[in-house]
Amino acid sequence: EVQLVESGGGLVQPGRSLRLSCAASGFTFDDYAMHWVRQAPGKGLEWVSGISWNSGSIAYADSVKGRFTISRDNAKNSLYLQMNSLRAEDTALYYCAKDLSGSPDYYFDYWGQGTLVTVSS
Amino acid sequence: QSVLTQPPSVSAAPGQKVTISCSGSSSNIGNNYVSWYQQLPGTAPKLLIYDNNKRPSGIPDRFSGSQSGTSATLGITGLQTGDEADYYCGTWDSSLSVEVFGGGTKLTVL
Repeated sequence: EVQLVESGGGLVQPGRSLRLSCAASGFTFDDYAMHWVRQAPGKGLEWVSGISWNSGSIAYADSVKGRFTISRDNAKNSLYLQMNSLRAEDTALYYCAKDLSGSPDYYFDYWGQGTLVTVSS
Repeated sequence: QSVLTQPPSVSAAPGQKVTISCSGSSSNIGNNYVSWYQQLPGTAPKLLIYDNNKRPSGIPDRFSGSQSGTSATLGITGLQTGDEADYYCGTWDSSLSVEVFGGGTKLTVL
């Protein structure tokens, strides 16, 4: 059974940093691209960042480019999102999502339950 | 303001059919495949349709997708109360070089 378990969310002050993690199991992690998708409270979905199976292809939404860094450790079956210079508008539930293929197709066939990030003073 | 436009809400009676539209442009739907997601209250989204009209294993054929020009449509037949959810379309935008989603459509099964 595919499982994606996010962690690392919490309350953080504007301008500070946070690192999210996603532990994957139930599939061959290094065969698939992975993504972070967020959802602000009561709002719609926003794709944040994606990374190919071998980290050779990485992309970011304009809203986070230069502040967030996606990475993965295939040996640990883990995906990460380093978030710096956090802003109030980054407040959201952050989902880890598996892609249908190794090079991003941007089809998210499995999702975690999300980790909540709240940016507030 | 979302790049892809969906109606905020649709409704229909149990057993009936409903369609949800997703309107874009030549830089997204017009030249890229569309996916659809269902988000039940309090849960993570679920992939319903990819490549405009393909269903992942386990998704019933009550759900269908189509694309024409710069618009896409999700169809749901034999509506059930359990279909009440938010539905999102998504696609790659070649001009922005990002994945974009519609604003979501809330389906109410009356």
